[in-house]
Amino acid sequence: GAGVSQSPSNKVTEKGKDVELRCDPISGHTALYWYRQSLGQGLEFLIYFQGNSAPDKSGLPSDRFSAERTGGSVSTLTIQRTQQEDSAVYLCASSTPSTARETQYFGPGTRLLVL
Amino acid sequence: GQNIDQPTEMTATEGAIVQINCTYQTSGFNGLFWYQQHAGEAPTFLSYNVLDGLEEKGRFSSFLSRSKGYSYLLLKELQMKDSASYLCAVRDDNFNKFYFGSGTKLNVKP
Repeated sequence: GAGVSQSPSNKVTEKGKDVELRCDPISGHTALYWYRQSLGQGLEFLIYFQGNSAPDKSGLPSDRFSAERTGGSVSTLTIQRTQQEDSAVYLCASSTPSTARETQYFGPGTRLLVL
Repeated sequence: GQNIDQPTEMTATEGAIVQINCTYQTSGFNGLFWYQQHAGEAPTFLSYNVLDGLEEKGRFSSFLSRSKGYSYLLLKELQMKDSASYLCAVRDDNFNKFYFGSGTKLNVKP
């Protein structure tokens, strides 16, 4: 079946503009994660959705960042008034935490460049 | 807070064996994962440990000691295609979050 998909694959924007990044998880996966990865760095947790529960937003770096997940499937990460330090790869992952061994499956990422 | 430590970079020779270490201090633990990430690509799952001991999977093995907060990934018979970053991640008690280390960049030379 299809894996996790993200769009756009690349986004160049001007400082101060808003951007929306989209994630389409694997069908049936109830958990969805957003991460940020700066050049040469590890993954920074941003937000986590699990089923109909309230999302865990503890990793969002500022109130300019928000995310929603509609119908338990597609998720959108919105960055308002982008800053140059927001430039990074934004990775989405999904999983179905029903078994202990279940891992996350990552999408290809959106490369965001803020000029 | 959560702390996952890995060496930043390692170099090894094709055909050799390399061990990548990971130490962790987290408030909860429900599994340790290793991922491989080639430059410009998304991470892909390599291995999972939740009990102490060694898990072997072809050329790759992963070890866990929960009492020491320590894991390693062992890569045997290195190939040039193994040049990548290797990420260590700990899952928390509630299966909710994964905490990632900064990754170890492995350079395999001929």
